[in-house]
Amino acid sequence: GAVVSQHPSRVICKSGTSVKIECRSLDFQATTMFWYRQFPKKSLMLMATSNEGSKATYEQGVEKDKFLINHASLTLSTLTVTSAHPEDSSFYICSASSGGPPYEQYFGPGTRLTVT
Amino acid sequence: AQKITQTQPGMFVQEKEAVTLDCTYDTSDQSYGLFWYKQPSSGEMIFLIYQGSYDEQNATEGRYSLNFQKARKSANLVISASQLGDSAMYFCAISPSGYSTLTFGKGTMLLVSP
Repeated sequence: GAVVSQHPSRVICKSGTSVKIECRSLDFQATTMFWYRQFPKKSLMLMATSNEGSKATYEQGVEKDKFLINHASLTLSTLTVTSAHPEDSSFYICSASSGGPPYEQYFGPGTRLTVT
Repeated sequence: AQKITQTQPGMFVQEKEAVTLDCTYDTSDQSYGLFWYKQPSSGEMIFLIYQGSYDEQNATEGRYSLNFQKARKSANLVISASQLGDSAMYFCAISPSGYSTLTFGKGTMLLVSP
């Protein structure tokens, strides 16, 4: 099946700094990429949807100036958490879709962010 | 709008037995897809099985089968011959056909005991 990678898998940063998470589709072209956030023992919450070459569409309640998403190529999307605070600590998962049938999403392994 | 309901926060099953994880959905779309994902403690989301709303037969993938009852809006996952490695969180999800956006349920934690 299709492979999606995420980097880094774990990151610890200080409050007030920014951190970038990369999501790559390794063996297919991802016209659409998704970013999710997951709190412990909770379901995945969609943060935003990004299409290659266009601005991301953010879900209600997600601050677009805080969570910057860039989908510059068909194989790479990045999520930058700006001016991170401890409440931003979470598990962030990306997924990618080729945009064609069966419209399946392939998930990355996730990034655990801890803000101290 | 779409919604997934998973009413079982946790399920226990003995090794080699079958288990059914419940999923009901609500959607105004005529055409849609239903997915099941497994999330082990490592965090990775693993795709298990897909059912299209117009598929006449229930989907099967190895030990996984989807009991699709369209009139009841249910899409239960059946795992046969449970294995210890099946212990994980299981999420049911729905997407409108032609789009990739997934709406997830809250998940069911499955524990398989020896």
